[in-house]
Amino acid sequence: AQSVSQHNHHVILSEAASLELGCNYSYGGTVNLFWYVQYPGQHLQLLLKYFSGDPLVKGIKGFEAEFIKSKFSFNLRKPSVQWSDTAEYFCAVSGNNNDMRFGAGTRLTVKP
Amino acid sequence: GAGVSQTPSNKVTEKGKYVELRCDPISGHTALYWYRQSLGQGPEFLIYFQGTGAADDSGLPNDRFFAVRPEGSVSTLKIQRTERGDSAVYLCASSRNRGGTGELFFGEGSRLTVL
Repeated sequence: AQSVSQHNHHVILSEAASLELGCNYSYGGTVNLFWYVQYPGQHLQLLLKYFSGDPLVKGIKGFEAEFIKSKFSFNLRKPSVQWSDTAEYFCAVSGNNNDMRFGAGTRLTVKP
Repeated sequence: GAGVSQTPSNKVTEKGKYVELRCDPISGHTALYWYRQSLGQGPEFLIYFQGTGAADDSGLPNDRFFAVRPEGSVSTLKIQRTERGDSAVYLCASSRNRGGTGELFFGEGSRLTVL
């Protein structure tokens, strides 16, 4: 089965700083890649997804992610974070078997 | 309903007891997933249903855990002889398509505490 590794457990940034959260996956076949976000007190929701085509994917709220096949990576980026981006971010991957595996998550704290 | 509904939202039980957690997915969603999330961890895959059948139950930790979806809609996760290590938030998610190709919609979760 596929597995997902997120490098950063907790990231603290000031507003307007740039963000990059790392995600690497392990799977030998074709993958679909996702980033989910969990705001405080809310349930998980989709931020963006990659299935095929342009490896640079744009999501909601100014987030984007780049799929680099040779590095098995799908890092999440945002040029300028806001206080409201404080949340937990989860990378996820699904393979041919259609199950969805999540990373351990990265907690982002944005200081106003 | 408008979203994925999970009941109960909170369950406290004693070690050794039997527990059922219910998930009502979004109407028309054929794929349904159960995950377990412990504090500071990501969702841990338990089982995936496509319709009525369990397409992948490789994440169930042992034979104390069982899940059903008899009519292809509501699902019940059943835990026998609960242990303290079973304490976690149990998440349910549904998807319109075969799960790996579509967005998962999550419920609020059922927080299980085993004393």
